[in-house]
Amino acid sequence: GQNIDQPTEMTATEGAIVQINCTYQTSGFNGLFWYQQHAGEAPTFLSYNVLDGLEEKGRFSSFLSRSKGYSYLLLKELQMKDSASYLCAALDSNYQLIWGAGTKLIIKP
Amino acid sequence: DADVTQTPRNRITKTGKRIMLECSQTKGHDRMYWYRQDPGLGLRLIYYSFDVKDINKGEISDGYSVSRQAQAKFSLSLESAIPNQTALYFCATSDTGEINEQFFGPGTRLTVL
Repeated sequence: GQNIDQPTEMTATEGAIVQINCTYQTSGFNGLFWYQQHAGEAPTFLSYNVLDGLEEKGRFSSFLSRSKGYSYLLLKELQMKDSASYLCAALDSNYQLIWGAGTKLIIKP
Repeated sequence: DADVTQTPRNRITKTGKRIMLECSQTKGHDRMYWYRQDPGLGLRLIYYSFDVKDINKGEISDGYSVSRQAQAKFSLSLESAIPNQTALYFCATSDTGEINEQFFGPGTRLTVL
């Protein structure tokens, strides 16, 4: 079966760094997405990885290891507005997105 | 103006009623999707359409139907609503490019009593 695992909730301090992990098992693989979703709002795209390695985009970076079925999202210099859920999703062989349940990130002052 | 719009934004209905959720997009994308989101669960795909003549069932299509009236419009219907269809419903669109990034509408919060 297809499965995405990520922690349910994480807490971090304003100004700090946090890493949100995601492991995936899919029938075929065509890339890994990270989305941000504030409570009651629509998900918005953060990053896409299809090759192994780190992609950096400002305060956010995303890493992929295809051989391990593993990705992480790294958030630096945390701000209160980063409090949100972070959704990991893998694109399978049929180009369908398989979604994780999301990680709720709580930022404390 | 928003690129992907959904109407209504909130709806309360009774068991057995037929309701329609509508989605419109101005992004010019061929691909459109309907998802539902429940607390503690990931987004689950209900139906998707890769162009006007192409409609496909997703993971949880039972109890739902769709209509792709035009490239820009994709409607979701609940033929006879039941309480476990209470959820947040999202419409999304994507281009046909390699990355397949999906753009989401603001969501419709549906409550079935």
